[in-house]
Amino acid sequence: DIQLTQSPSFLSASVGDRVTITCRASRGISSYLAWYQQKPGKAPKLLIYAASTLQYGVPSRFSGSGSGTEFTLTISSLQPEDLATYYCQQLNSYPITFGQGTRLEIK
Amino acid sequence: QVQLVQSGAEVKKPGASVKVSCKASGYTFINYYMHWVRQAPGQGLEWMGWINPNSGGANYVQKFQDRVTMTTDTSINTAYMELSRLRSDDTAVYYCARDDTALEDWGQGTLVTVSS
Repeated sequence: DIQLTQSPSFLSASVGDRVTITCRASRGISSYLAWYQQKPGKAPKLLIYAASTLQYGVPSRFSGSGSGTEFTLTISSLQPEDLATYYCQQLNSYPITFGQGTRLEIK
Repeated sequence: QVQLVQSGAEVKKPGASVKVSCKASGYTFINYYMHWVRQAPGQGLEWMGWINPNSGGANYVQKFQDRVTMTTDTSINTAYMELSRLRSDDTAVYYCARDDTALEDWGQGTLVTVSS
């Protein structure tokens, strides 16, 4: 199985900050990576697919990059509504796996 | 717009089975795989498998292989996930999710509590 390791696991940042979350895969997954945002008590929401393609309707402050084994999710200017846990997911091979999550707190 | 509406919360005893439904609307049901993902309390997301509503074919995670059955009823655009021989560590929120570019649309989740 492909393991995904996110760092950091917890992040505290201020409104307006640039925030970066990293996801490392245990072996190459090309660009078959997605990022999800999950707010407390809600279902996950797709933010980015194919490593860098912004899902329709997602604010442009979110961006993704990377390929192979290292990927990043960047929020260019943190907003209060970005309080959430963020997960990466690989769709390169079965079983599909998720990272352990990064909990983002707003200072 | 796409909607996935899941059945309500369940409380089951260890050893019992649970069947969660996911009614789809707003798109052509048979054209998109349906995935099931679960989340134990305070934990991360765990993929369980998918079903192809067009063919009925399914792909399950090995750890659930002998306990999970995913089915669909295309006449009412509904997917089902049945998990048998429930244990306390199956207590979780179970989500259905439509597969397009990734898991693009999600149900609201169904809490399954396993307790004696």
